[in-house]
Amino acid sequence: NAGVMQNPRHLVRRRGQEARLRCSPMKGHSHVYWYRQLPEEGLKFMVYLQKENIIDESGMPKERFSAEFPKEGPSILRIQQVVRGDSAAYFCASSPQGRTTEAFFGQGTRLTVV
Amino acid sequence: GESVGLHLPTLSVQEGDNSIINCAYSNSASDYFIWYKQESGKGPQFIIDIRSNMDKRQGQRVTVLLNKTVKHLSLQIAATQPGDSAVYFCAENIGSGGSNYKLTFGKGTLLTVNP
Repeated sequence: NAGVMQNPRHLVRRRGQEARLRCSPMKGHSHVYWYRQLPEEGLKFMVYLQKENIIDESGMPKERFSAEFPKEGPSILRIQQVVRGDSAAYFCASSPQGRTTEAFFGQGTRLTVV
Repeated sequence: GESVGLHLPTLSVQEGDNSIINCAYSNSASDYFIWYKQESGKGPQFIIDIRSNMDKRQGQRVTVLLNKTVKHLSLQIAATQPGDSAVYFCAENIGSGGSNYKLTFGKGTLLTVNP
């Protein structure tokens, strides 16, 4: 059973471009969480999704950021018109139910905006 | 704002010694705590958890202590090994109220084990 898979592992974007980060949850997991980690900081909650539903996006910036978890395929975190402050590691976690106790994290995508 | 923090940002120990990593939290409503280990370039890895109705829990070579009176959490690693070198995060969660999926992380402590 593969773990939570994130791709790409590293992503470089120029200011103003779009970044798309993908997360494939563990098999049997239908709950996905996205966290952002700035350098030398702890992880910050961004959004919680179930298949085709956004449950809690209270940690998402109001503009430029969006997330989806379609019926088929991976969850996508999309950042439009990236700025240097978006440079961070973005982690996805998944669980079979909506409980943190059962969540596993992926390896993360490290976004660098130049 | 931040409700979970670390007393020490770095900790250096000799191989074989015991390590103690501390964490303070400020949200008295938190009722579930997790310690994670994060190696360089990797995602957080679950180590051990504890619920607020407990004050101690033991795992393999690790023990978590919870002092709700002073809102303090600690992770003890016995016989520390080079493979334990990593950043350690405590995280808290409020299990009731429908938000038992959201974790609040501290900033982390870098543990370095010297051979």
